[in-house]
Amino acid sequence: DGGITQSPKYLFRKEGQNVTLSCEQNLNHDAMYWYRQDPGQGLRLIYYSQIVNDFQKGDIAEGYSVSREKKESFPLTVTSAQKNPTAFYLCASSIVRLTKAGELFFGEGSRLTVL
Amino acid sequence: AQRVTQPEKLLSVFKGAPVELKCNYSYSGSPELFWYVQYSRQRLQLLLRHISRESIKGFTADLNKGETSFHLKKPFAQEEDSAMYYCALGDQGGKLIFGQGTELSVKP
Repeated sequence: DGGITQSPKYLFRKEGQNVTLSCEQNLNHDAMYWYRQDPGQGLRLIYYSQIVNDFQKGDIAEGYSVSREKKESFPLTVTSAQKNPTAFYLCASSIVRLTKAGELFFGEGSRLTVL
Repeated sequence: AQRVTQPEKLLSVFKGAPVELKCNYSYSGSPELFWYVQYSRQRLQLLLRHISRESIKGFTADLNKGETSFHLKKPFAQEEDSAMYYCALGDQGGKLIFGQGTELSVKP
């Protein structure tokens, strides 16, 4: 069954702890993205990667880090430096088109709550 | 600056009524625009894109470059259309910029 898998679906964290959200895709897509979804603010881009071993900051990268060691995987770490980490996180992938946007395929999301 | 604006957080209509979800954009160049939908307990998915000019589930959207708008329309709303709708703009780097989203509620 092709698609994007995010885990865990729900995650609780104490203040001061780093957490890592997993995102795996078997669609053979080159590009992967992390968005943060907050009510009333839509989706905001955190990080994206258009090729293995390369990634760029999005609009709200502060307090987050990523890696892209494999084409299939794009994990997101929410660090203790992120001031307001409680949110719903969405991972997506697409066929890379450097100058034109392609259709994004989304995972089911991970909800992070900081206690 | 590249930006997408959806002015309505919530739009509530009765079944069978026409519906229009507004989207305005700011972009220098030829825009690529999309509508994504998120039904309850389902993942976000593409509804339609302006370049294909197709109608999906009875929804259409016309790009109006003069008004910089890409409003989503359906002549007769159904209860199953209740969902969160996002307008998105493709930027020159191949990324999508999303609007704030509009929650559509179709009442029986």
